[in-house]
Amino acid sequence: DGGITQSPKYLFRKEGQNVTLSCEQNLNHDAMYWYRQDPGQGLRLIYYSQIVNDFQKGDIAEGYSVSREKKESFPLTVTSAQKNPTAFYLCASSIQYRPNYGYTFGSGTRLTVV
Amino acid sequence: AQSVTQLDSQVPVFEEAPVELRCNYSSSVSVYLFWYVQYPNQGLQLLLKYLSGSTLVESINGFEAEFNKSQTSFHLRKPSVHISDTAEYFCAVSGKSGGSNYKLTFGKGTLLTVNP
Repeated sequence: DGGITQSPKYLFRKEGQNVTLSCEQNLNHDAMYWYRQDPGQGLRLIYYSQIVNDFQKGDIAEGYSVSREKKESFPLTVTSAQKNPTAFYLCASSIQYRPNYGYTFGSGTRLTVV
Repeated sequence: AQSVTQLDSQVPVFEEAPVELRCNYSSSVSVYLFWYVQYPNQGLQLLLKYLSGSTLVESINGFEAEFNKSQTSFHLRKPSVHISDTAEYFCAVSGKSGGSNYKLTFGKGTLLTVNP
Protein backbone atom coordinates (compact mmCIF):
# COMPACT_ATOMS: atom_id res chain seq x y z
CA ASP A 1 0.00 0.00 0.00
CA GLY A 2 1.17 3.50 -0.75
CA GLY A 3 1.84 5.87 2.09
CA ILE A 4 4.32 7.88 4.12
CA THR A 5 6.68 6.26 6.60
CA GLN A 6 8.21 8.28 9.41
CA SER A 7 10.92 6.82 11.59
CA PRO A 8 11.61 6.43 14.37
CA LYS A 9 8.28 6.80 16.17
CA TYR A 10 10.01 7.96 19.37
CA LEU A 11 13.38 9.70 19.55
CA PHE A 12 15.40 10.97 22.47
CA ARG A 13 18.11 13.56 22.08
CA LYS A 14 20.66 14.95 24.44
CA GLU A 15 21.08 18.69 24.54
CA GLY A 16 23.65 19.91 22.02
CA GLN A 17 23.16 17.01 19.62
CA ASN A 18 21.82 17.08 16.10
CA VAL A 19 19.23 14.47 15.21
CA THR A 20 17.66 13.47 11.88
CA LEU A 21 14.05 12.41 11.40
CA SER A 22 13.27 10.24 8.41
CA CYS A 23 10.32 10.66 6.03
CA GLU A 24 9.83 8.37 3.03
CA GLN A 25 6.86 8.22 0.66
CA ASN A 26 5.93 5.84 -2.15
CA LEU A 27 2.97 7.84 -3.45
CA ASN A 28 4.93 9.48 -6.26
CA HIS A 29 4.02 12.88 -4.78
CA ASP A 30 6.07 15.88 -5.82
CA ALA A 31 5.56 18.03 -2.75
CA MET A 32 6.59 17.19 0.81
CA TYR A 33 6.21 19.08 4.08
CA TRP A 34 7.42 19.06 7.68
CA TYR A 35 5.23 20.29 10.51
CA ARG A 36 5.81 20.70 14.20
CA GLN A 37 2.93 20.11 16.59
CA ASP A 38 2.80 21.38 20.17
CA PRO A 39 -0.23 21.13 22.46
CA GLY A 40 -2.74 23.90 21.72
CA GLN A 41 -0.68 25.39 18.89
CA GLY A 42 -1.90 23.34 15.96
CA LEU A 43 0.45 22.57 13.08
CA ARG A 44 3.32 24.88 12.28
CA LEU A 45 5.13 24.56 8.96
CA ILE A 46 8.91 24.09 9.24
CA TYR A 47 10.02 23.43 5.64
CA TYR A 48 8.46 22.32 2.39
CA SER A 49 9.72 21.07 -0.94
CA GLN A 50 7.88 21.18 -4.23
CA ILE A 51 10.52 19.44 -6.31
CA VAL A 52 13.74 17.48 -5.92
CA ASN A 53 16.77 19.58 -4.94
CA ASP A 54 14.61 22.54 -3.96
CA PHE A 55 12.98 23.51 -0.66
CA GLN A 56 11.62 26.60 1.08
CA LYS A 57 11.46 27.76 4.66
CA GLY A 58 8.14 27.67 6.42
CA ASP A 59 7.06 29.70 9.41
CA ILE A 60 9.48 28.25 11.99
CA ALA A 61 12.59 27.10 10.07
CA GLU A 62 15.20 28.38 12.53
CA GLY A 63 17.17 25.53 14.07
CA TYR A 64 16.10 23.03 11.42
CA SER A 65 17.54 21.87 8.10
CA VAL A 66 16.29 19.61 5.31
CA SER A 67 17.42 18.01 2.07
CA ARG A 68 15.53 16.66 -0.93
CA GLU A 69 17.94 14.55 -2.96
CA LYS A 70 15.30 12.02 -3.98
CA LYS A 71 11.63 12.43 -4.74
CA GLU A 72 10.73 9.79 -2.15
CA SER A 73 12.71 11.18 0.77
CA PHE A 74 12.63 14.41 2.78
CA PRO A 75 14.67 14.06 6.00
CA LEU A 76 14.54 16.74 8.69
CA THR A 77 17.55 17.53 10.89
CA VAL A 78 16.91 19.17 14.23
CA THR A 79 20.11 21.01 15.05
CA SER A 80 21.54 22.09 18.38
CA ALA A 81 20.47 25.63 17.47
CA GLN A 82 16.83 24.68 18.02
CA LYS A 83 16.33 25.72 21.62
CA ASN A 84 13.10 23.88 22.34
CA PRO A 85 12.96 20.83 20.09
CA THR A 86 10.70 18.62 22.20
CA ALA A 87 7.57 18.19 20.06
CA PHE A 88 5.62 15.91 17.75
CA TYR A 89 6.86 16.12 14.15
CA LEU A 90 4.66 15.31 11.17
CA CYS A 91 5.66 14.77 7.58
CA ALA A 92 3.14 15.13 4.75
CA SER A 93 3.05 14.94 0.97
CA SER A 94 0.79 16.11 -1.81
CA ILE A 95 0.36 16.13 -5.58
CA GLN A 96 1.87 19.30 -6.96
CA TYR A 97 -0.65 21.86 -8.20
CA ARG A 98 -3.58 19.63 -7.23
CA PRO A 99 -4.86 21.21 -4.03
CA ASN A 100 -8.13 19.31 -4.27
CA TYR A 101 -6.34 16.12 -3.20
CA GLY A 102 -5.24 17.54 0.13
CA TYR A 103 -2.27 16.10 2.02
CA THR A 104 -1.29 12.60 3.10
CA PHE A 105 0.37 12.45 6.51
CA GLY A 106 2.82 10.09 8.15
CA SER A 107 2.24 8.76 11.66
CA GLY A 108 4.68 11.18 13.27
CA THR A 109 7.88 11.17 15.32
CA ARG A 110 7.85 12.27 18.95
CA LEU A 111 11.17 13.92 19.82
CA THR A 112 12.14 14.42 23.44
CA VAL A 113 15.23 16.22 24.69
CA VAL A 114 16.72 14.55 27.77
CA ALA B 1 -3.38 35.03 2.18
CA GLN B 2 -5.78 32.61 3.74
CA SER B 3 -6.56 31.74 7.35
CA VAL B 4 -8.67 29.32 9.35
CA THR B 5 -10.27 29.89 12.72
CA GLN B 6 -11.55 27.01 14.80
CA LEU B 7 -13.67 28.69 17.39
CA ASP B 8 -13.45 26.06 20.11
CA SER B 9 -10.19 24.55 21.31
CA GLN B 10 -11.98 21.87 23.34
CA VAL B 11 -15.47 20.38 23.08
CA PRO B 12 -16.59 17.86 25.74
CA VAL B 13 -19.79 15.94 25.06
CA PHE B 14 -21.56 12.87 26.35
CA GLU B 15 -21.86 9.71 24.29
CA GLU B 16 -24.81 9.68 21.87
CA ALA B 17 -25.17 13.48 22.05
CA PRO B 18 -24.92 15.64 18.90
CA VAL B 19 -21.84 17.74 18.30
CA GLU B 20 -20.81 20.66 16.11
CA LEU B 21 -17.19 21.72 15.62
CA ARG B 22 -17.00 25.20 14.16
CA CYS B 23 -14.66 26.41 11.44
CA ASN B 24 -14.46 29.77 9.72
CA TYR B 25 -12.03 30.72 6.99
CA SER B 26 -10.87 33.74 5.06
CA SER B 27 -9.38 33.75 1.60
CA SER B 28 -9.05 36.09 -1.37
CA VAL B 29 -9.58 33.24 -3.83
CA SER B 30 -12.00 30.34 -4.27
CA VAL B 31 -11.18 27.53 -1.89
CA TYR B 32 -11.24 23.85 -1.19
CA LEU B 33 -12.09 22.91 2.39
CA PHE B 34 -11.04 19.91 4.44
CA TRP B 35 -11.55 18.30 7.83
CA TYR B 36 -8.82 16.05 9.20
CA VAL B 37 -8.94 13.86 12.33
CA GLN B 38 -5.97 13.00 14.54
CA TYR B 39 -6.12 10.20 17.11
CA PRO B 40 -3.57 10.28 19.97
CA ASN B 41 0.05 9.88 18.85
CA GLN B 42 -0.94 9.42 15.22
CA GLY B 43 -0.83 11.46 12.06
CA LEU B 44 -3.74 13.31 10.50
CA GLN B 45 -6.30 11.43 8.42
CA LEU B 46 -8.63 13.02 5.91
CA LEU B 47 -12.20 12.93 7.21
CA LEU B 48 -14.03 14.76 4.42
CA LYS B 49 -13.59 17.57 1.93
CA TYR B 50 -15.59 20.09 -0.04
CA LEU B 51 -14.49 20.71 -3.61
CA SER B 52 -17.58 21.92 -5.46
CA GLY B 53 -21.22 21.08 -6.05
CA SER B 54 -23.44 20.10 -3.13
CA THR B 55 -22.58 22.16 -0.09
CA LEU B 56 -23.20 19.22 2.26
CA VAL B 57 -20.48 16.59 2.35
CA GLU B 58 -20.43 13.39 4.38
CA SER B 59 -17.85 10.98 5.73
CA ILE B 60 -18.17 7.21 6.01
CA ASN B 61 -18.40 7.30 9.81
CA GLY B 62 -21.38 9.63 10.16
CA PHE B 63 -19.79 13.07 10.18
CA GLU B 64 -21.01 15.77 7.82
CA ALA B 65 -19.94 19.32 7.05
CA GLU B 66 -21.73 22.13 5.27
CA PHE B 67 -20.01 24.76 3.18
CA ASN B 68 -21.57 28.18 3.67
CA LYS B 69 -20.00 30.68 1.32
CA SER B 70 -21.81 33.74 2.64
CA GLN B 71 -20.69 33.01 6.20
CA THR B 72 -17.30 31.62 5.11
CA SER B 73 -17.87 28.60 7.33
CA PHE B 74 -17.40 24.85 7.13
CA HIS B 75 -18.76 23.46 10.39
CA LEU B 76 -18.47 19.75 11.18
CA ARG B 77 -21.43 17.93 12.73
CA LYS B 78 -22.40 14.50 13.94
CA PRO B 79 -25.90 13.71 15.24
CA SER B 80 -24.75 11.06 17.74
CA VAL B 81 -21.14 10.64 18.86
CA HIS B 82 -19.33 7.56 20.13
CA ILE B 83 -16.47 7.17 22.57
CA SER B 84 -14.28 6.27 19.60
CA ASP B 85 -14.82 9.74 18.09
CA THR B 86 -12.57 11.19 20.80
CA ALA B 87 -9.77 12.87 18.82
CA GLU B 88 -8.48 16.21 17.65
CA TYR B 89 -10.12 17.66 14.54
CA PHE B 90 -8.45 20.09 12.18
CA CYS B 91 -10.12 22.29 9.59
CA ALA B 92 -8.00 23.30 6.59
CA VAL B 93 -8.32 25.44 3.48
CA SER B 94 -6.42 25.66 0.21
CA GLY B 95 -6.84 27.98 -2.71
CA LYS B 96 -8.04 26.62 -6.04
CA SER B 97 -5.29 28.42 -7.91
CA GLY B 98 -2.07 30.32 -7.59
CA GLY B 99 1.31 29.70 -6.03
CA SER B 100 1.31 29.66 -2.26
CA ASN B 101 -2.49 29.43 -2.18
CA TYR B 102 -2.11 25.76 -3.11
CA LYS B 103 -0.67 24.99 0.32
CA LEU B 104 -3.07 23.88 3.00
CA THR B 105 -3.62 26.32 5.86
CA PHE B 106 -4.72 24.59 9.06
CA GLY B 107 -6.72 25.77 12.03
CA LYS B 108 -5.35 25.20 15.51
CA GLY B 109 -7.56 22.18 16.08
CA THR B 110 -10.52 21.25 18.28
CA LEU B 111 -10.15 18.48 20.83
CA LEU B 112 -13.38 16.49 20.95
CA THR B 113 -13.74 14.43 24.12
CA VAL B 114 -16.67 12.02 24.29
CA ASN B 115 -17.54 10.97 27.82
CA PRO B 116 -19.61 7.90 28.80
